[in-house]
Amino acid sequence: VQLVQSGAEVKKPGASVKISCVASGYTFYNYAIHWVRQAPGQRPEWMGWINGGNGRTKYSQKFQGRVAITRDTSASTAYMELSSLTSEDTAVYYCARDKWLVHDYWGQGTLVTVSS
Amino acid sequence: DIQMTQSPSSLSASVGDRVTITCQASQDIRNYLNWYQQKTGKAPRLLISDASNLETGVPSRFSGSGSGTHFTFTISSLQPEDFATYYCQQYDNLPQYTFGQGTKLEIK
Repeated sequence: VQLVQSGAEVKKPGASVKISCVASGYTFYNYAIHWVRQAPGQRPEWMGWINGGNGRTKYSQKFQGRVAITRDTSASTAYMELSSLTSEDTAVYYCARDKWLVHDYWGQGTLVTVSS
Repeated sequence: DIQMTQSPSSLSASVGDRVTITCQASQDIRNYLNWYQQKTGKAPRLLISDASNLETGVPSRFSGSGSGTHFTFTISSLQPEDFATYYCQQYDNLPQYTFGQGTKLEIK
């Protein structure tokens, strides 16, 4: 099992960022994918998840309305787009596979820096 | 939201020591608790699920116990590669997962 994320991003305040997570080594549509972020020196923070099969999503209330998680089953890829960025969104963003509601495999992380 | 409080926040120990970390939930989460290890610059690694279930490939010196609101995580004999930050995470109050603030384990 491997999850490979897209590279680091630098964005200006007010912009959006879209990160990809390419899965391999398992049947993509049989598992959900979670997105978790971690600001510098902080605990991880769950953002939301997507069912790999039916595409249904659930989001943390904190990010509701500002985050969109999608997937492309033909490419075994999940995406997380976060809009209206501020400096407080500077963090490493991770995707993680769901195994019975726990995160068993993680991507390598994508650093998003929001700076004017 | 359910709050997760770990203690201690940091801990200094020596190779071979036995260490224990605790995690307190603000309400009953049954056994829906995981423990993760995170090394600097790396993604978290799942060690224990459902409070006490050791994941495949994780050394047996790691263990977890507890239910309800009080949980413990133990390393029976510290190895050099165990120095890292450890997080608990609840998943009883879905879809809202929450993590503890972490325990940084350092070499004495």
